[in-house]
Amino acid sequence: DGGITQSPKYLFRKEGQNVTLSCEQNLNHDAMYWYRQDPGQGLRLIYYSQIVNDFQKGDIAEGYSVSREKKESFPLTVTSAQKNPTAFYLCASSIGRAGNEQFFGPGTRLTVL
Amino acid sequence: AQSVTQLDSHVSVSEGTPVLLRCNYSSSYSPSLFWYVQHPNKGLQLLLKYTSAATLVKGINGFEAEFKKSETSFHLTKPSAHMSDAAEYFCVVTPVGYQKVTFGTGTKLQVIP
Repeated sequence: DGGITQSPKYLFRKEGQNVTLSCEQNLNHDAMYWYRQDPGQGLRLIYYSQIVNDFQKGDIAEGYSVSREKKESFPLTVTSAQKNPTAFYLCASSIGRAGNEQFFGPGTRLTVL
Repeated sequence: AQSVTQLDSHVSVSEGTPVLLRCNYSSSYSPSLFWYVQHPNKGLQLLLKYTSAATLVKGINGFEAEFKKSETSFHLTKPSAHMSDAAEYFCVVTPVGYQKVTFGTGTKLQVIP
């Protein structure tokens, strides 16, 4: 089956620790995205990548980093610089440029203890 | 510039009655418009999309939406609500040819038995 997988589903981290969220897709999509979801705020774009080895900051990139070494993979690192990292994180992918629908993974819920 | 406003944060309907979820948008360019549904702790699933073809768009699970340029609206409707429709719904706008995607803040639909 084609789709997007995210792991882990739940993640707990202590303050001051970096943590990496995994996102893998086998849809052969060029573009991939990371969103953060908080109650009542919809989805906010953290980073996106349109092609391997290239990515751009979204609206709330501070405290986050990404890499895109392979077309299938777009991991997100939440660094200790992110002041309020507890949230639901969603990865998505799409064909080519804008105007196309995005396909979403099941999400990772990160809780900082 | 672009924006999307979902006019109701919560909507409650009885099972078997019609559903109306309202969405207004603004966009400097011809928009593509989407509705997604999210069940609790899950990723988003595409319900339907408008990309400058027919103004009345039919989606999955009996949902449809009408693009009204004069009113800058893209309201989501369903003739008869089912218990499984209880979820959060997001209206999304993206200018054709651009990568910027803007999500509404979501409408939570409650279906009363």
